[in-house]
Amino acid sequence: GAVVSQHPSRVICKSGTSVKIECRSLDFQATTMFWYRQFPKKSLMLMATSNEGSKATYEQGVEKDKFLINHASLTLSTLTVTSAHPEDSSFYICSARRQGINNEQFFGPGTRLTVL
Amino acid sequence: AQSVTQPDIHITVSEGASLELRCNYSYGATPYLFWYVQSPGQGLQLLLKYFSGDTLVQGIKGFEAEFKRSQSSFNLRKPSVHWSDAAEYFCAVVDSGGGADGLTFGKGTHLIIQP
Repeated sequence: GAVVSQHPSRVICKSGTSVKIECRSLDFQATTMFWYRQFPKKSLMLMATSNEGSKATYEQGVEKDKFLINHASLTLSTLTVTSAHPEDSSFYICSARRQGINNEQFFGPGTRLTVL
Repeated sequence: AQSVTQPDIHITVSEGASLELRCNYSYGATPYLFWYVQSPGQGLQLLLKYFSGDTLVQGIKGFEAEFKRSQSSFNLRKPSVHWSDAAEYFCAVVDSGGGADGLTFGKGTHLIIQP
């Protein structure tokens, strides 16, 4: 159990377009999901915490109008990169925290975004 | 703010040799501690975690880690590595009382296995 999926796994888009990434908890309910960004050869940096039914909480330095997060149900959170620029190219990973389990997060396989 | 330090960016180990990856954290209280492994282009797989209790924790794939409060460390060990262990390893912490906080990761250690 505790499987998290992400879609798409890879996406290439043109500058100025918007890209939506989905994160789903397949076999459990997640009131809280997290979005991380990983640059090449770098660690994962927390971007935002997504809470079902409420606004996301963004980390310092992350533009909330640039990275729109929606957590509409207990099994789905979406990250939309708006007006994408080449510097937004990165590996985006989501995680989901299972209800009742002490802060154990289950990670998705990641989405590789390339902005041309 | 909490931080995690993995002092070794790269480590090269011969297959069959023992392994220790270092992790130190900076935090006022005892956090929850994790080790994850990431293969190229992949997501993260949890190796083991420490919440409380016995300070020596066993994980998957033959890994173990020991929490040492006095040293603020949570080093990962394996007695005999296999070529398939080559990957990126991340230590991570989260506030044990924070509830919904995301993880803070170290910069990772790249493990290379020599034949």
